[in-house]
Amino acid sequence: SQQGEEDPQALSIQEGENATMNCSYKTSINNLQWYRQNSGRGLVHLILIRSNEREKHSGRLRVTLDTSKKSSSLLITASRAADTASYFCATAWYTDKLIFGTGTRLQVFP
Amino acid sequence: DGGITQSPKYLFRKEGQNVTLSCEQNLNHDAMYWYRQDPGQGLRLIYYSQIVNDFQKGDIAEGYSVSREKKESFPLTVTSAQKNPTAFYLCASSMTDRIVYNEQFFGPGTRLTVL
Repeated sequence: SQQGEEDPQALSIQEGENATMNCSYKTSINNLQWYRQNSGRGLVHLILIRSNEREKHSGRLRVTLDTSKKSSSLLITASRAADTASYFCATAWYTDKLIFGTGTRLQVFP
Repeated sequence: DGGITQSPKYLFRKEGQNVTLSCEQNLNHDAMYWYRQDPGQGLRLIYYSQIVNDFQKGDIAEGYSVSREKKESFPLTVTSAQKNPTAFYLCASSMTDRIVYNEQFFGPGTRLTVL
């Protein structure tokens, strides 16, 4: 079953613009993770935010988590063409399995 | 070079044949996972294993089988009972922790096509 739903499904922007992707989930979580997938490749872990955290930064990435609304957002600032990829959120409840969302396809035009 | 490898990268199978996808990791991770990804879709969990000689079914285990005889290896067999096996298969591994669910490390994937 897929718990996370990303919004929008697809996003196209120009280089230098910011990209914001949202993730909604349905049940309690221990942490929420964001992954990136280049076309035809495996996923790469970007950032993990725990349920007691509200915001986390890593380089040009900013993740927020609102457990009351069961939602998270991923902001990529000053996007580059190399950021073109699909982005997935994934939720975890302690040592249970990780559940992935449906993904947002980001296209950054030079 | 630490990491997780999958082979082959591309695999073609005739209907009615069983095929085995390889997944090996040298990260010393206890947990390993198999996912299926269809075009434009997210990942669906097939099987996972948190310790050697033990594994659990995921959400779409029907038509698949696994073994975990070694910590480093978690092969997936796609059997003839799997009705629509054409997909992209991803293997992942992670450290296990009783409290926090950790990040997963993914292999490059195997694209299986049934002819």
